Amino acid sequence: DIQMTQSPSSLSASIGDRVIITCRASQAISNYLAWYQQKPGKVPNLLIYTASTLQSGVPSRFSGSGSGTDFILTISSLQPEDAATYYCQNYNSVPRTFGPGTKVEIK
Amino acid sequence: EVHLVESGGGLVQPGGSLKLSCAASGFTFSGSTIHWVRQASGKGLEWVGRIRANTNDYATAYSASVQGRFTISRNDSKNTAYLQMNTVKTEDTAVYYCARLLMVGTTADYWGQGTLVTVSS
Repeated sequence: DIQMTQSPSSLSASIGDRVIITCRASQAISNYLAWYQQKPGKVPNLLIYTASTLQSGVPSRFSGSGSGTDFILTISSLQPEDAATYYCQNYNSVPRTFGPGTKVEIK
Repeated sequence: EVHLVESGGGLVQPGGSLKLSCAASGFTFSGSTIHWVRQASGKGLEWVGRIRANTNDYATAYSASVQGRFTISRNDSKNTAYLQMNTVKTEDTAVYYCARLLMVGTTADYWGQGTLVTVSS
C-alpha cells in the first residue's frame, strides 16, 4: 500500500505570508495527487487535482506542483479564511490514503 | 444539485453492529464509485473503503483497519449505498462520510455531511 506523509504537521503564519506544505508518497503516483482543505466542523473541500490543477472556484493564491513522489501545496499570500487543515491524497489506486494533515493557523 | 445524505449513525456497544446509509441525488449514482471516509474527533481523514459501479462488477476495497469487519454495498434502484459495520471497536468511533471522490479523468468530488458513530459501553 502507498503511504502518504506531510510536513509540517502544523504551522503558524501571518497574513500575507507565503506558506508551503509538502506531501510525499511512499512510491511513485505520477501526478494523481489531490489536495483538500478542511475547516473546523466542515466537510473537506477539493482544492487541487492532478497535483497542480486548481478546482473551479478555488482562489489563485493556491497552487500545487510535483510529480512522482514529492508534491508541494503553496499559498502565495495567506488570508484569514485559509486557516484550516490541509490533506493530500493519492487517487490512482486503493487504498485511497490521505496524508496526516497540516494545520495552518494565523498568527 | 448534488446531495449525499448519510444516516444510521448512533451509539453502539463494542462488538455490536450498525448499518449506515448514504442516499444520493443530483448525479448518475449507478455509474459512480462510492467511498466511505471517516474522521475521529480531532483526528485526520481515514479512507474506509469503496464500491465501484456495476460496470466494474460492484468491486469493493477496504482499508486494513476495517477489512473483514465492514462491508459496503449499494442499491442502484434506490440511489443508496450502505456501510455494514460488524464487530465494532471503540476505535471505530468517528464521523462517517460517504463521498463520490475524485477519480482519474474526472474533476467531480462530492461529500455528504457525515453521520456520527460512537462505540461505547
